[in-house]
Amino acid sequence: DSGVTQTPKHLITATGQRVTLRCSPRSGDLSVYWYQQSLDQGLQFLIQYYNGEERAKGNILERFSAQQFPDLHSELNLSSLELGDSALYFCASSVDLGHTGELFFGEGSRLTVL
Amino acid sequence: EDQVTQSPEALRLQEGESSSLNCSYTVSGLRGLFWYRQDPGKGPEFLFTLYSAGEEKEKERLKATLTKKESFLHITAPKPEDSATYLCAVQARTGANNLFFGTGTRLTVIP
Repeated sequence: DSGVTQTPKHLITATGQRVTLRCSPRSGDLSVYWYQQSLDQGLQFLIQYYNGEERAKGNILERFSAQQFPDLHSELNLSSLELGDSALYFCASSVDLGHTGELFFGEGSRLTVL
Repeated sequence: EDQVTQSPEALRLQEGESSSLNCSYTVSGLRGLFWYRQDPGKGPEFLFTLYSAGEEKEKERLKATLTKKESFLHITAPKPEDSATYLCAVQARTGANNLFFGTGTRLTVIP
């Protein structure tokens, strides 16, 4: 158990809909990262927050947004969903900005868009 | 642009049959190279960090090595419980400090 909690574990929805994925980092970790994992592209970095502030942005679509709250949990909002958004979405956390590369991953939220 | 290529895509080994996984990388100034293990339906689990060419790290049956262009994950006398996907990632010294992952090597160890 990594200590990172993600909900929901599974989500099935329709195209055009909006969903919210939630992540609680390990106790004491200030950084939260969101990654997307699809079969053909591997793990793709979406966005990082550190202590409530956006720190780095990857290939995150404009339809997607995220935030980190004062209690350090984070939410990833996906809107106007398309079939191609079906993937595993992982949250990870680290105690610092991630310079050691030691990230602790949750078990992921599997999104299926029909 | 940062690039990580892992080979082979899949590898089947008999129990006890040692082998190596390769990770070739291109990055504008390497801060670190990382190995993760991912079991089916789970999130990746951190294994090693390597910072400079010549560095080696070991953990049980796994040993990771680093050169200026690639890293190897050597698996000695593997057991069925070593079956997993092994992911390599790099982090650049400048710019965003996120990890850039390869697509992994899926290892199956047959009893």
